[in-house]
Amino acid sequence: EAGVVQSPRYKIIEKKQPVAFWCNPISGHNTLYWYLQNLGQGPELLIRYENEEAVDDSQLPKDRFSAERLKGVDSTLKIQPAELGDSAVYLCASSSGTNTGETQYFGPGTRLLVL
Amino acid sequence: QKEVEQDPGPLSVPEGAIVSLNCTYSNSAFQYFMWYRQYSRKGPELLMYTYSSGNKEDGRFTAQVDKSSKYISLFIRDSQPSDSATYLCAMNALGGSNYQLIWGAGTKLIIKP
Repeated sequence: EAGVVQSPRYKIIEKKQPVAFWCNPISGHNTLYWYLQNLGQGPELLIRYENEEAVDDSQLPKDRFSAERLKGVDSTLKIQPAELGDSAVYLCASSSGTNTGETQYFGPGTRLLVL
Repeated sequence: QKEVEQDPGPLSVPEGAIVSLNCTYSNSAFQYFMWYRQYSRKGPELLMYTYSSGNKEDGRFTAQVDKSSKYISLFIRDSQPSDSATYLCAMNALGGSNYQLIWGAGTKLIIKP
C-alpha cells in the first residue's frame, strides 16, 4: 500500500513569492490534515478535511494561507505571499476515520525555505 | 506553560542500553496517548498507542501511562543504532471534536554503536 505522497520535497523561494504544496493521501482515507513543523518542535495543525469539507481551519492564517481538497482525495496548500517566518516543514497526514485516536499516517513533508 | 512537555535532548546512550523517554501533560481530559518516531527528513510514524492508563508492550518497546501523575513513558530495550531518531509524544481527549492531537516537542535520541 502506497503511503502519503507529498510534492515537492524541497522548495526555496524568495519572500513575497507564492508557493504551493501537494498531497495525495492513502487510498480510502477520508480525513486529511496539513501540519506545520518547525525545527525542534512537534507538528502544529493548520487544517483538517473530512472528505472535501474543511472541518477545522481555525489555525490556518487565512490572510496568506489557503487550502483545497476539491474531490475529497488529494489536496493543495498554498501560501501567498510567503514570509521569512514561513520557513518550516509542511506535513500532510491522512486517516481512515474521524474517531478520536484514529491513527494518522504522515507523508515525508515539504521543506520550505523562504529567503 | 505548554500542555505537553517533553525534554528535547539530545539523549545519547550506548547500544544495548535501556532507553527511557518521557512526557508530562497538564490536561486531565487526555485519554489517548501515542508515541511517534521521526527519522531525519521523514514524517512521524506511529510507534505505540495507549488508551487511558496502564502498560502496553510491543517487541522491544513498552509504553506506560500514569494518569494520576500526568506522566507517560516509552521504554526501549536492547537499543539499536537504528533507533536513533526523534521521539514525539502526542495525546488527545475523548469524543466528538476532540480529535486534535497535542504534541510534545520531541526528544532526539542517539544510540552509539
